[in-house]
Amino acid sequence: DIQMTQSPSSVSASVGDRVTITCRASEGISSWLAWYQQKPGKAPKLLIYAASSLQSGVPSRFSGSGSGTDFTLTISSLQPEDFATYYCQQANSFPITFGQGTRLEIK
Amino acid sequence: EVQLVESGGGLVQPGGSLRLSCAASGFAFSSYWMHWVRQVPGEGLVWVSHINSDGSYTDYADSVKGRFIVSRDSAKKTLYLQMNSLRAKDTAVYYCARDIGFGSADNAFDIWGQGTVVTVSS
Repeated sequence: DIQMTQSPSSVSASVGDRVTITCRASEGISSWLAWYQQKPGKAPKLLIYAASSLQSGVPSRFSGSGSGTDFTLTISSLQPEDFATYYCQQANSFPITFGQGTRLEIK
Repeated sequence: EVQLVESGGGLVQPGGSLRLSCAASGFAFSSYWMHWVRQVPGEGLVWVSHINSDGSYTDYADSVKGRFIVSRDSAKKTLYLQMNSLRAKDTAVYYCARDIGFGSADNAFDIWGQGTVVTVSS
């Protein structure tokens, strides 16, 4: 199975800050990577697919980059509604696997 | 409105069975691959199973293979997960999710249900 490792596991930031979350795959996955946002008690929400494609309706302050084994999710200017847990997910091969999550907290 | 609504969760004893349902609306259900993902409260997301658009192909995580069966009814626009020989470790919130690919498996999930809670305990 492909292991997905996110860093950091948690981060504290302020409204307006730029935040970057990284995700590393245990083997190359080309651009088969997605990012999700999850708030407590809610289902995950797709933000980015194919490593850098912004899902319809997602604000442009979210962006994704990377290919192969190393990927990043960047939030250019944090808004209050962005405080949540973020997961990466490899879509290259089965079983599909997720990172352990990055909790983004208010500083 | 594009929507997935799960039902069927509940409390079941170890070794018991449960069938989850996921009713789809607002999109061409028969054109999309569908997935099940579960999450233990406070923990991460785990992919469980998927089924192709016409129901002819399925796959499972090793942890549920041989115990869970995924199926779909295009006429009812409903996805199912039959869970047998349930274990305490199967306790989780179960989500159904739509594959973003139209007619293909792109393996990113763009539409999610609200989740249904399964608790396996005596």
